[in-house]
Amino acid sequence: NAGVTQTPKFRILKIGQSMTLQCAQDMNHNYMYWYRQDPGMGLKLIYYSVGAGITDKGEVPNGYNVSRSTTEDFPLRLELAAPSQTSVYFCASSFPGQGNQPQHFGDGTRLSIL
Amino acid sequence: ELKVEQNPLFLSMQEGKNYTIYCNYSTTSDRLYWYRQDPGKSLESLFVLLSNGAVKQEGRLMASLDTKARLSTLHITAAVHDLSATYFCAVDIRETSGSRLTFGEGTQLTVNP
Repeated sequence: NAGVTQTPKFRILKIGQSMTLQCAQDMNHNYMYWYRQDPGMGLKLIYYSVGAGITDKGEVPNGYNVSRSTTEDFPLRLELAAPSQTSVYFCASSFPGQGNQPQHFGDGTRLSIL
Repeated sequence: ELKVEQNPLFLSMQEGKNYTIYCNYSTTSDRLYWYRQDPGKSLESLFVLLSNGAVKQEGRLMASLDTKARLSTLHITAAVHDLSATYFCAVDIRETSGSRLTFGEGTQLTVNP
């Protein structure tokens, strides 16, 4: 019963480096989301996807890219890491239509840019 | 732009007391969610409110939704230490491009013995 799996759990990057945060779900959910949570704040939507091959920007997309080649996977790419991207990143998934179920969240990736 | 405001942002209360957390939002929606987050952990779904007048209860927590007032409440009855956490409301906006949540800033609840 894995649910939403995020890797890695922790990462430290240097300014200007690139990395991909991985997210996989095994619930056959159509919708997937990436959020960031800054200390003491709520979650802000970065990108979301309503199905394979379809992605759209959220509130704070600058500095990030996504792709959705399969239903299961939704990776988030940071191309040129900046200190402002230090945050906790959460991936979530949902299947609207099944009684309006809530989004299911992964455990998060804690990312520091130094 | 949808705004979701929670108050209070910080709440310190004694065990056994009652209190209410408020969630106001700025645009029409009939779907609202409450989540709980423990320090350093992920978000856990508490309640899904899908229509005006919806009321859900689980243990010492009760959530309600008034879509006309654009207001949801999370009421805590006879608080216990285990309820200490941060509580978020999130409003669901359905667009042609899909469904997306906008979160409030969260209410950090501390229940003291």
